[in-house]
Amino acid sequence: KQEVTQIPAALSVPEGENLVLNCSFTDSAIYNLQWFRQDPGKGLTSLLLIQSSQREQTSGRLNASLDKSSGRSTLYIAASQPGDSATYLCAVYPLSGNTPLVFGKGTRLSVIA
Amino acid sequence: DAGVIQSPRHEVTEMGQEVTLRCKPISGHNSLFWYRQTMMRGLELLIYFNNNVPIDDSGMPEDRFSAKMPNASFSTLKIQPSEPRDSAVYFCASSSVSGVGETQYFGPGTRLLVL
Repeated sequence: KQEVTQIPAALSVPEGENLVLNCSFTDSAIYNLQWFRQDPGKGLTSLLLIQSSQREQTSGRLNASLDKSSGRSTLYIAASQPGDSATYLCAVYPLSGNTPLVFGKGTRLSVIA
Repeated sequence: DAGVIQSPRHEVTEMGQEVTLRCKPISGHNSLFWYRQTMMRGLELLIYFNNNVPIDDSGMPEDRFSAKMPNASFSTLKIQPSEPRDSAVYFCASSSVSGVGETQYFGPGTRLLVL
């Protein structure tokens, strides 16, 4: 059964700092990996989607990498801002089985001004 | 498009009462997902539909939970009878094509409190 782990569970950094969020998954047989953002009291918003054949995806100050063989992904946020404060969730789409997305529990990020 | 619409946004009910959560997916999307989120267990998939047909309901906790999708623009998740341990945020999401590998678009969620 696919399991997704995100470490750390919470992170606090000063504004302007570059940071990395980690995600690991137990089964490398995946279609893709996705990073979502969740603001308090809100739903999830898709940030980046990396296909299994890709190594990374970039959107603005965000860069996500994927190492499928080792079961790891990182989300790099450059020059963090207070508006980046949110919970970031990683999810993988398994190749087999009926479950379309398996989520980690997220990393709660606080960027302090 | 208005995105995925869920109602109600908040629901407070007493144990034993029936609760019905509603979802309108994004127009043109043919896959719909119901999730439950708690602090302890994170985000869990309850059930999902492709073209209005339930594909996998293995995440539904027990027979007290049921979901329907009578047409492409509407789905319900019903809990009867409700229990305090059902308190959580329930999300609906939709995606296009077959849903395989496609990103999902989430609604704002329904925050349920069962007293």
